[in-house]
Amino acid sequence: AQTVTQSQPEMSVQEAETVTLSCTYDTSESDYYLFWYKQPPSRQMILVIRQEAYKQQNATENRFSVNFQKAAKSFSLKISDSQLGDAAMYFCAYRSAHGGATNKLIFGTGTLLAVQP
Amino acid sequence: DAGVTQSPTHLIKTRGQQVTLRCSPKSGHDTVSWYQQALGQGPQFIFQYYEEEERQRGNFPDRFSGHQFPNYSSELNVNALLLGDSALYLCASQTGAGAMNTEAFFGQGTRLTVV
Repeated sequence: AQTVTQSQPEMSVQEAETVTLSCTYDTSESDYYLFWYKQPPSRQMILVIRQEAYKQQNATENRFSVNFQKAAKSFSLKISDSQLGDAAMYFCAYRSAHGGATNKLIFGTGTLLAVQP
Repeated sequence: DAGVTQSPTHLIKTRGQQVTLRCSPKSGHDTVSWYQQALGQGPQFIFQYYEEEERQRGNFPDRFSGHQFPNYSSELNVNALLLGDSALYLCASQTGAGAMNTEAFFGQGTRLTVV
């Protein structure tokens, strides 16, 4: 069974600074997707960034980028130029890409990010 | 586009009662998944509905059941409520149950409190 681990329950960053959130996962599959979701106090889970395991290039979305290390099964999220609106709970998630499997998401326990003005 | 909508937003029930939560998927989506998010935890997959059938189920007891209607909306039913069922219940929709390359869109959830 696949598992996702986030070892940082809480993180804090100064506005305009850079912060990195860590995530490791365990799987025996070779094809999968990895995601970072943001959950603000409004509770709605919002997709931040997505990485296909077969792609060597790290995904980037504006101020958000990932460091995907497939061999190490590591998938960290870097937030540059942090803004007050980035404050939220961040979840790392895994989804199998094998045909026949459902596309259910497997989540970590989350990292609560605080942004200090 | 209204996105994924869930109702009600909050609910308080007594232990032993039954509850029904509702979800309308994003326009154009035909697959609905339900997740349970306990306080301080990540969401846990309950089950997924596609073509009005349950396609896969997570590690949840039979007290948890669901339904999908022809318009793709879905209900989650929980019988014989336990205190441990208190959680945020999230609904996610997407296109195609077996399709891998689709993004899941989430609703704002229903906060269920069992007393």
